[in-house]
Amino acid sequence: KAGVTQTPRYLIKTRGQQVTLSCSPISGHRSVSWYQQTPGQGLQFLFEYFSETQRNKGNFPGRFSGRQFSNSRSEMNVSTLELGDSALYLCASSLVHLPGDEQFFGPGTRLTVL
Amino acid sequence: TQLLEQSPQFLSIQEGENLTVYCNSSSVFSSLQWYRQEPGEGPVLLVTVVTGGEVKKLKRLTFQFGDARKDSSLHITAAQPGDTGLYLCAGAGGLYGGATNKLIFGTGTLLAVQP
Repeated sequence: KAGVTQTPRYLIKTRGQQVTLSCSPISGHRSVSWYQQTPGQGLQFLFEYFSETQRNKGNFPGRFSGRQFSNSRSEMNVSTLELGDSALYLCASSLVHLPGDEQFFGPGTRLTVL
Repeated sequence: TQLLEQSPQFLSIQEGENLTVYCNSSSVFSSLQWYRQEPGEGPVLLVTVVTGGEVKKLKRLTFQFGDARKDSSLHITAAQPGDTGLYLCAGAGGLYGGATNKLIFGTGTLLAVQP
């Protein structure tokens, strides 16, 4: 069974630009969560989607947004990029969206903002 | 705000040594998970502990969940170079967590096992 796929794997953008990251969950999984990983802050929760609805949102500014499609694929968007947005963005999929559900992480998208 | 503190932050040991990583919080979680992350990859789940006082063993790894479900530990016996990586604990479902699989990750422990 194929794992979680994230595209692109690497991105370089400049301040002020916007970026869209994509995540394809494991087949049959309906829940997708996004996390930001930085050396200073570690892994922080961004959002959680289930059945095309945002179920939970982390403490990030409105420049960070996301959505989920009917096939469970998800995208996240960051507008007006700042240097501090440089991070590894990880997507995780699970069957449903209950506490303790096993989540499978993708390899991440490494975003560098210059 | 729920926080998970891990200690130590860094650990460099020789092959064959034993080690323990601690994960502490002031919050109660319905379950606690341990992950290992290698460079360029996403975290991979090692174990989920659910019951206070629970102990789980995975080959040379022993995981324990505190009685009050606020803390956990990971003990590795006879560490091998293949154990090298970033170890992360993550709490799921606080006391009033609701229907969400949001994870609160710990600060991480970077382990290097020298051959």
